[in-house]
Amino acid sequence: EPEVTQTPSHQVTQMGQEVILRCVPISNHLYFYWYRQILGQKVEFLVSFYNNEISEKSEIFDDQFSVERPDGSNFTLKIRSTKLEDSAMYFCASTSTGGRNQPQHFGDGTRLSIL
Amino acid sequence: GQQVMQIPQYQHVQEGEDFTTYCNSSTTLSNIQWYKQRPGGHPVFLIQLVKSGEVKKQKRLTFQFGEAKKNSSLHITATQTTDVGTYFCAGIYNFNKFYFGSGTKLNVKP
Repeated sequence: EPEVTQTPSHQVTQMGQEVILRCVPISNHLYFYWYRQILGQKVEFLVSFYNNEISEKSEIFDDQFSVERPDGSNFTLKIRSTKLEDSAMYFCASTSTGGRNQPQHFGDGTRLSIL
Repeated sequence: GQQVMQIPQYQHVQEGEDFTTYCNSSTTLSNIQWYKQRPGGHPVFLIQLVKSGEVKKQKRLTFQFGEAKKNSSLHITATQTTDVGTYFCAGIYNFNKFYFGSGTKLNVKP
């Protein structure tokens, strides 16, 4: 079964540094999402992306965050100047061509640790 | 802003007992999805409910969507140890914005 893949599985970064989290969505999917989950807490929506632009973003997704689809397969989340509170698991998800209310397929996540 | 509240936060049951988790939204939802997350894993899609009053079943799992499309429930009959995990609802607004509930962590004692 096709999967969403995320790299790296664990990223350790010094506070203030930039970090890029990478995702390869399922190949025929058109809608892409980033979520974060602070340890033991709920999954929080960050941003949705369709047709090479952001379609929705949450209050968490401020100017420190950006997303990009640099080629036909990768979908990246960049945090410009990381803070301690950015430490979390970051999940990428994608949905099929059917639209945005389709089941989301999640990757295994990247655990981001800010020191 | 939109919020999805989910209760209870934790539920410990003996194997064979039933389990229910509830989600409530302050505003009307377009649709609602349910996910299961095993410890250390990622959310896995279970089901989507779209219509007012909709009820769907998957083996021992029963999902309901309220008439006003503001609340939903997941009921598991006769729990098994394989049901262990955290169950999240995800409320969807305007078919585009997803808000997850805080999750209910289910522990099943054999």
